[in-house]
Amino acid sequence: QKEVEQNSGPLSVPEGAIASLNCTYSDRGSQSFFWYRQYSGKSPELIMFIYSNGDKEDGRFTAQLNKASQYVSLLIRDSQPSDSATYLCAVEVRGGADGLTFGKGTHLIIQP
Amino acid sequence: DVKVTQSSRYLVKRTGEKVFLECVQDMDHENMFWYRQDPGLGLRLIYFSYDVKMKEKGDIPEGYSVSREKKERFSLILESASTNQTSMYLCASSLFEAGYEQYFGPGTRLTVT
Repeated sequence: QKEVEQNSGPLSVPEGAIASLNCTYSDRGSQSFFWYRQYSGKSPELIMFIYSNGDKEDGRFTAQLNKASQYVSLLIRDSQPSDSATYLCAVEVRGGADGLTFGKGTHLIIQP
Repeated sequence: DVKVTQSSRYLVKRTGEKVFLECVQDMDHENMFWYRQDPGLGLRLIYFSYDVKMKEKGDIPEGYSVSREKKERFSLILESASTNQTSMYLCASSLFEAGYEQYFGPGTRLTVT
């Protein structure tokens, strides 16, 4: 059974600080990892993906992957109120053709 | 630009009705997916398709069926709607060779009364 775990939050972070979101997964065969942002009432929007151990940076976002420890994280630098949303971690195991397993999401609140 | 569209944003149906949810993507993606999203349960995969006329069950296929007659269109069918199928339904597509990232449609909020 594939499982993806996230702290549901809410995670409250002051504006301008670094927000750190964490995700653990159970299947060691997992190969691809994704972070989606979902605003209330909207559909998920892909913001980052990572396949290899280490860090991947894209603007204010950094994804970190540690396959040995089976966790993936997302850092948001210089947090803005517009970053307030639910962040979904998703994991793919077999070649992408059988969908993703999603965590339940972490609700992030950026306090002005 | 990636685009996935769904036929309705909001839908209200009665118990026992047959319900069709349509999804269309214009990106020539091979893979298409149907999820439902419920508070506290997150996103759960109902069915997916990796080619025309092909379909595979996801984690919660009971009470649903799908149809994919054309590459760009993937339909979700509720044969006899029940109140426990009230949910947000999300369609997604992905291009296998492009790293497997999925792109979502805007969602259909279905209420079964």
